[in-house]
Amino acid sequence: GAVVSQHPSWVICKSGTSVKIECRSLDFQATTMFWYRQFPKQSLMLMATSNEGSKATYEQGVEKDKFLINHASLTLSTLTVTSAHPEDSSFYICSAPDLGSTDTQYFGPGTRLTVL
Amino acid sequence: AQSVTQLGSHVSVSEGALVLLRCNYSSSVPPYLFWYVQYPNQGLQLLLKYTSAATLVKGINGFEAEFKKSETSFHLTKPSAHMSDAAEYFCAVSLGGGGSEKLVFGKGTKLTVNP
Repeated sequence: GAVVSQHPSWVICKSGTSVKIECRSLDFQATTMFWYRQFPKQSLMLMATSNEGSKATYEQGVEKDKFLINHASLTLSTLTVTSAHPEDSSFYICSAPDLGSTDTQYFGPGTRLTVL
Repeated sequence: AQSVTQLGSHVSVSEGALVLLRCNYSSSVPPYLFWYVQYPNQGLQLLLKYTSAATLVKGINGFEAEFKKSETSFHLTKPSAHMSDAAEYFCAVSLGGGGSEKLVFGKGTKLTVNP
């Protein structure tokens, strides 16, 4: 099946710094990508929909100025957590739909963010 | 609004026993339903999806799920559990069956398989 990668797989940063997470579709193009957040022992919560060439669509309650999303190309979306705080520590997962063949969302392996 | 309820945050079975993971949904329109599996520190992998065709859906790794509208359920089953089935399982619902649709996930069920 299609492959979605994320980088880094884990990151530790100091409070107040910014962290960028990359999501790439490796063998297909994705005009849309989704960013999820998963707290320990909880479900995935959709944060935003990343759209290539236009602004991201954020879910209610998600601060767009804190979680900056850039869909730079048809294979890359980035999520930047700005001025990170310990409460931002979480598992961030992206997904991308392969509309060309299977019409299915494929998920990245996730990025574990720890803010000290 | 759509929602998913997974009954039982933890399920433990013996190797070779039946696996039954429960999922109930709420949707104001005919739903599209999915089951995903997540292994530790990995992303989600699609097991199967219901998109209004056959009510009994067969997926990968021997799993299947049956859509029951009268019970608003989409339970996941496997006749014989294998050690490799130990993972977290998520049920999800969306308004459409296509890949670009937003997914609403349940809280997940952790499956443990005992030797």
